[in-house]
Amino acid sequence: DVKVTQSSRYLVKRTGEKVFLECVQDMDHENMFWYRQDPGLGLRLIYFSYDVKMKEKGDIPEGYSVSREKKERFSLILESASTNQTSMYLCASTNRALWDQYFGPGTRLLVL
Amino acid sequence: EDQVTQSPEALRLQEGESSSLNCSYTVSGLRGLFWYRQDPGKGPEFLFTLYSAGEEKEKERLKATLTKKESFLHITAPKPEDSATYLCAVQARTSGTYKYIFGTGTRLKVLA
Repeated sequence: DVKVTQSSRYLVKRTGEKVFLECVQDMDHENMFWYRQDPGLGLRLIYFSYDVKMKEKGDIPEGYSVSREKKERFSLILESASTNQTSMYLCASTNRALWDQYFGPGTRLLVL
Repeated sequence: EDQVTQSPEALRLQEGESSSLNCSYTVSGLRGLFWYRQDPGKGPEFLFTLYSAGEEKEKERLKATLTKKESFLHITAPKPEDSATYLCAVQARTSGTYKYIFGTGTRLKVLA
């Protein structure tokens, strides 16, 4: 079974702090994604990566950056957290042949 | 504009009362349509992928179908443990790349 893990289930941070969210998948998937999920808005794509060291902006990249130094690991960085970044953050991965997305358990981030 | 709309937003069923959830889409270059189940506070769990009109897939009490404009998730004789939010997503070609577009989900509650 595909397993996608995220570094934290819950995080509480202060405005202006730098926040790191990490995602690891164990199925050798090439593609990895970061979404945020807010009530009434559904899942919105922040960034995605098709390969190591490669990244592309999604629909809402402002205020975020990403890093993919190893194939199995995709990190989301909030350079200076703001209250409007309070959300549920979801990581997903797929392989190139099949595009079924497998999601991690999510990180619920609260920025005070 | 590419769009995915799910209906109803919420649905309450008695145990054993079969029903269907709808996912309608307007996208160009559809590559696949995906159904997920999401329990509160957790990441979405992959259920099905449908690639072409007329295709059907089944898993236990769930059956997904696809036409050129919409997909249905049929739930036969549901049980309380089927209570969850069901998400639909499409993968479409946009501006030379493929992207996923999610609906906002149908919250299903099955009463014992």
